[in-house]
Amino acid sequence: QQQVKQSPQSLIVQKGGISIINCAYENTAFDYFPWYQQFPGKGPALLIAIRPDVSEKKEGRFTISFNKSAKQFSLHIMDSQPGDSATYFCAPTRDTGRRALTFGSGTRLQVQP
Amino acid sequence: DTGVSQDPRHKITKRGQNVTFRCDPISEHNRLYWYRQTLGQGPEFLTYFQNEAQLEKSRLLSDRFSAERPKGSFSTLEIQRTEQGDSAMYLCASSLTPGEETQYFGPGTRLLVL
Repeated sequence: QQQVKQSPQSLIVQKGGISIINCAYENTAFDYFPWYQQFPGKGPALLIAIRPDVSEKKEGRFTISFNKSAKQFSLHIMDSQPGDSATYFCAPTRDTGRRALTFGSGTRLQVQP
Repeated sequence: DTGVSQDPRHKITKRGQNVTFRCDPISEHNRLYWYRQTLGQGPEFLTYFQNEAQLEKSRLLSDRFSAERPKGSFSTLEIQRTEQGDSAMYLCASSLTPGEETQYFGPGTRLLVL
């Protein structure tokens, strides 16, 4: 897991605010960059993912920004809602071979009403 | 399609006992992964199967761990002579390769070794 560093460890945002979570990776062979969302007692679920041929991808309130040269990518949650309160993991991987996900240590997001 | 299921959801055992967990992937998914998640950390890869073949095992998977996927359907993960350090959430995920890369996770089995 030292290959992937995620920050911040925890985040408190007011309802309607913007949540930003960052992920830095070391392995230049990674070519698929997903974010997973995990609620207590549940397994992680794919939220949004990006490939290195684009610098940004938006799906509803969720946006991934990707900086290949800096080996970083981030998750932006616009208009954060209490239902977004969960733990978020970046989990880059190689899109060939075993495709095992390399998870960051997670960011616990709390959206206050 | 009911998603990935895991059984049991919780397991408490005494040190030295053997435990076995089961994972039922999404039907027709040919890949199945096992991950381990300790408290406050992200999941870590343990092993994966392509159909019934176990193609890779992580260094985290000691000789006390064994996984099978007979007939390429459900999978079992067995831990022999459990240790307190084995306490964790064991997650199973499945995917369809080639095709959609998304790994779909089950709810996990939480193991506590006393």
